[in-house]
Amino acid sequence: DQQVKQNSPSLSVQEGRISILNCDYTNSMFDYFLWYKKYPAEGPTFLISISSIKDKNEDGRFTVFLNKSAKHLSLHIVPSQPGDSAVYFCAARSNYQLIWGAGTKLIIKP
Amino acid sequence: GAGVSQSPSNKVTEKGKDVELRCDPISGHTALYWYRQSLGQGLEFLIYFQGNSAPDKSGLPSDRFSAERTGGSVSTLTIQRTQQEDSAVYLCASTGGTGVASPLHFGNGTRLTVT
Repeated sequence: DQQVKQNSPSLSVQEGRISILNCDYTNSMFDYFLWYKKYPAEGPTFLISISSIKDKNEDGRFTVFLNKSAKHLSLHIVPSQPGDSAVYFCAARSNYQLIWGAGTKLIIKP
Repeated sequence: GAGVSQSPSNKVTEKGKDVELRCDPISGHTALYWYRQSLGQGLEFLIYFQGNSAPDKSGLPSDRFSAERTGGSVSTLTIQRTQQEDSAVYLCASTGGTGVASPLHFGNGTRLTVT
């Protein structure tokens, strides 16, 4: 039973446009949600997080939105840049554990 | 080094052999996690060490898997009698705390291929 789902295995976006990555979860007890970015042959790196008591957190070009009633969060990247091409993982925290989605591969087209 | 270091970066082994994977966490980080990632899957939790507490081994898939952390620093993950389904990227991560303000810092992983 997947508690955290990223239903789009890949996403292709034109450079300069907005990239929107989606994530759904089932457990209402998660208290934090995090996005990590992963380049090939490297470990994931932390990007941005949001507390379950917030609905939006912004950091530069990255904004994460949380809709608790829908158990849905999204990561917006604007404007998208070629260096944003990577796999993006959504993760949800429960105590010291992170439950991970399967990732979405973002491809930024020049 | 400043980051989490894992070795080897790649390991090819024959089915039935034992393998040992090593993780050097960031100095001073008390928490250490092992995950594995199979092709097209998310990260699967294996084991968690926090300071001197008993490790959380609830994610280890079978008794062929074991891990230890010596002196609260370096950790080794051992897989005995490897099987083809053990082929995956094994990732180690460390953090200085359990708060979200201390996100996980990952190594580059060990890609294990069992032939």
